[in-house]
Parts: sequence; structure tokens; C-alpha cells
Amino acid sequence: GAVVSQHPSRVICKSGTSVKIECRSLDFQATTMFWYRQFPKQSLMLMATSNEGSKATYEQGVEKDKFLINHASLTLSTLTVTSAHPEDSSFYICSARDRPGRVRTDTQYFGPGTRLTVL
Amino acid sequence: QKEVEQDPGPLSVPEGAIVSLNCTYSNSAFQYFMWYRQYSRKGPELLMYTYSSGNKEDGRFTAQVDKSSKYISLFIRDSQPSDSATYLCAMSDAGAQKLVFGQGTRLTINP
Repeated sequence: GAVVSQHPSRVICKSGTSVKIECRSLDFQATTMFWYRQFPKQSLMLMATSNEGSKATYEQGVEKDKFLINHASLTLSTLTVTSAHPEDSSFYICSARDRPGRVRTDTQYFGPGTRLTVL
Repeated sequence: QKEVEQDPGPLSVPEGAIVSLNCTYSNSAFQYFMWYRQYSRKGPELLMYTYSSGNKEDGRFTAQVDKSSKYISLFIRDSQPSDSATYLCAMSDAGAQKLVFGQGTRLTINP
């Protein structure tokens, strides 16, 4: 149980285009999903926290208009990188938190990540 | 000072050795402690989850939490080459949604 999927796993795009990444919780309902960014050989950097049905909460320094997050259902959150530039190239990972009341509510389950390369 | 400190390594040990990975933290409100394993170019995988102080064992893995010292450990017994990965400690306080991660320790088990 507690499987999180991401799609696509890898994407290459031209500078100026927008890219959408999907994050799905496959066997549980996630009231909260998180989006992280990871540079090579570095730890995860939290970008935003997404609660189902409400606006995402962004971490300091993360541009809301550039990284659009939508959490329309209990099993799906999307991250759209708008007008992508080469410096946006990175490994993007989502995670999902189970609903309160279940075991391990403070545990996050991670997706496999999406590698974005902007040319 | 970072909230969570973790030696990034790299750490290289021979197959069969006992591995000890550690994190220290400064926030005494942390109550939930996790260890994640991350293989190259993959998402982190939850390995161990501990609430408050104490030990927890799962197969070859043992997690220890010492809240009085603000110190957590992960021990790997009979290490295997397949254990080669980056190990991330993470923690949160009660009610907090966000996890605070350590930098991650790169571990290599040599056959």
C-alpha cells in the first residue's frame, strides 16, 4: 500500500514552454500533497504544500506564478512549470500524506520523481 | 545552524559490515522520525518510522531515537551491495505537515 505515482518520469522541453507534472496517490486518499525539487547530490527542497480543494502554500523564494499547483481531488495534484527556462531543469518529486485518523499520518510517501530538462 | 544535521559522507564499507547512520537535530518539538532510502534518480522510499524515543527493528534495519540527546540513528546489519543508496533522515513535530530533512548520507557497500 501507500503507492504514489508521477507522470511523466522524464521530460525534455524547449525554453519558454510549459510543462505539467502529475502526482497520483494510487491506493489511498491524500488530503495533502507536497512538491519538492532536488538538485544533484543534494537533499530535497520543499517547494509547496498542496491541500485538496484549497490554494497551495508556497515556501519562501518559490515563485507562485511560475510553479502552478493544483490539487483538484484527493488522489491527484499537478505541478505546472510555466515558461520553463534552463535553470528550471531539475528532479521534481511529489509526496502524499494520508488522511488524518490513519496510521502514520505524519509520514509522507514519495513518487518516483520527474526529471525535467529545459533546453 | 540547520535544524537537522546529517553527515553527507560518502560512506563506503565492505559487504557484511554493520553500518551506522546518524542525524542530530535542534528542535525539541520533533516527535516523528523517519529514515528514507533513495536510489539514484528515484524518489525516496520510506524505510523506518519511529514515534518519540526508543528503538524499532525491521529485519536488518534498526532505528533508534534519543530525544534527550536530540540524536537519531539507523543501523544496517549484514549490509548488502543492494543497500548502496542515499539515506535521508526526516522528522516533524505533532501537527506539522512539513518534514524537515537531513542532507542525506551517500552509502556504498563494496562486494
